[in-house]
Amino acid sequence: NAGVTQTPKFQVLKTGQSMTLQCAQDMNHNSMYWYRQDPGMGLRLIYYSASEGTTDKGEVPNGYNVSRLNKREFSLRLESAAPSQTSVYFCASTRTSDTQYFGPGTRLTVL
Amino acid sequence: AQTVTQSQPEMSVQEAETVTLSCTYDTSESDYYLFWYKQPPSRQMILVIRQEAYKQQNATENRFSVNFQKAAKSFSLKISDSQLGDAAMYFCAYRGGGSNYKLTFGKGTLLTVNP
Repeated sequence: NAGVTQTPKFQVLKTGQSMTLQCAQDMNHNSMYWYRQDPGMGLRLIYYSASEGTTDKGEVPNGYNVSRLNKREFSLRLESAAPSQTSVYFCASTRTSDTQYFGPGTRLTVL
Repeated sequence: AQTVTQSQPEMSVQEAETVTLSCTYDTSESDYYLFWYKQPPSRQMILVIRQEAYKQQNATENRFSVNFQKAAKSFSLKISDSQLGDAAMYFCAYRGGGSNYKLTFGKGTLLTVNP
């Protein structure tokens, strides 16, 4: 079992460029999440998908869009990257009342 | 909105000793879950222990145990017989009883283990 996978692991963008972070899980989980981690801030929820076909904003959604492509995949898109979006991004998934399982993270730098 | 507070940005412990990491939270819900996650330098988020609010018994996982005080809204993590591999950032997290299963994290405590 691969668990939760994320691509890419590292990315450097210039201000204004766009990119999509990919996340996939093979645990048949219903709910998926995108978090960002900044120094001294813990993890903050960007968007989540409680079930296939639904998405909702989290605590810090501005500048991001998401797509729940199917039950396995949940992508995060930055349409016009800004230096404030420099962060480590984590995808996570959970079944129902179970624990959230996290991917390995993507380190994104926006110059 | 729920908040989670970890008041100790950094802690240190001698190998083989015991250390307690603090966490408090604010909620108006009666049904919820609490978690401690460990993040080593590899950056991977690893579940350490979880506690269901309706359970009075404190959760334990080998050398890790919690002191859950529901009335005080306190959820501390005790690490016994500390090992060098315990050195990491530790995050306390809250999840409400609703169906979206969102986690709210504290800002973390960096634990150093001295040989």
